[in-house]
Amino acid sequence: DAKTTQPTSMDCAEGRAANLPCNHSTISGNEYVYWYRQIHSQGPQYIIHGLKNNETNEMASLIITEDRKSSTLILPHATLRDTAVYYCIVRVGGGATNKLIFGTGTLLAVQP
Amino acid sequence: EPEVTQTPSHQVTQMGQEVILRCVPISNHLYFYWYRQILGQKVEFLVSFYNNEISEKSEIFDDQFSVERPDGSNFTLKIRSTKLEDSAMYFCASRGLAKNIQYFGAGTRLSVL
Repeated sequence: DAKTTQPTSMDCAEGRAANLPCNHSTISGNEYVYWYRQIHSQGPQYIIHGLKNNETNEMASLIITEDRKSSTLILPHATLRDTAVYYCIVRVGGGATNKLIFGTGTLLAVQP
Repeated sequence: EPEVTQTPSHQVTQMGQEVILRCVPISNHLYFYWYRQILGQKVEFLVSFYNNEISEKSEIFDDQFSVERPDGSNFTLKIRSTKLEDSAMYFCASRGLAKNIQYFGAGTRLSVL
């Protein structure tokens, strides 16, 4: 699975958009970009994933560059409850295993 | 919304004792996983399970660990003889066929004394 690089930490003002970047320059053509978050010591929570098109759901938007070497997770109106560690994970879809390899992620601190 | 349920939320045990961590995956999911997170460290993959057998395991998952799906609804992780270094949060996850998304439980905090 391709390696990802994320900033260690970011701040965002409550009510503003939070834009979390991720570099995955060695991504392969069949690898998806997944985003999870972990609030304190709770279980990781799925946010969104995509292959090459931009995606949006009720939680966030995922913007993937045309060359697929980087992506940005957008939380449109961050709240204090969005304070968490956000993980960008790249892996092949399908298969019996599909283990997730977590890095250190980005600690997003939403400030009041 | 269906969710993965883990019990107990906190398990305290003495070194050398056996523990069983329990998970009820989302019904109709077919792929099951255990991960662990030592305090302050990354979430680490332990094992994946499909069609009643282990499909992949990590180096951490040695002979002291085993998994089982005893009754078609529960998915368990057993540690035969716990060590101090087994103290961690253990997360169960499950995945369905249609969507390639793993959903995690809230975790079991294992404290080995």
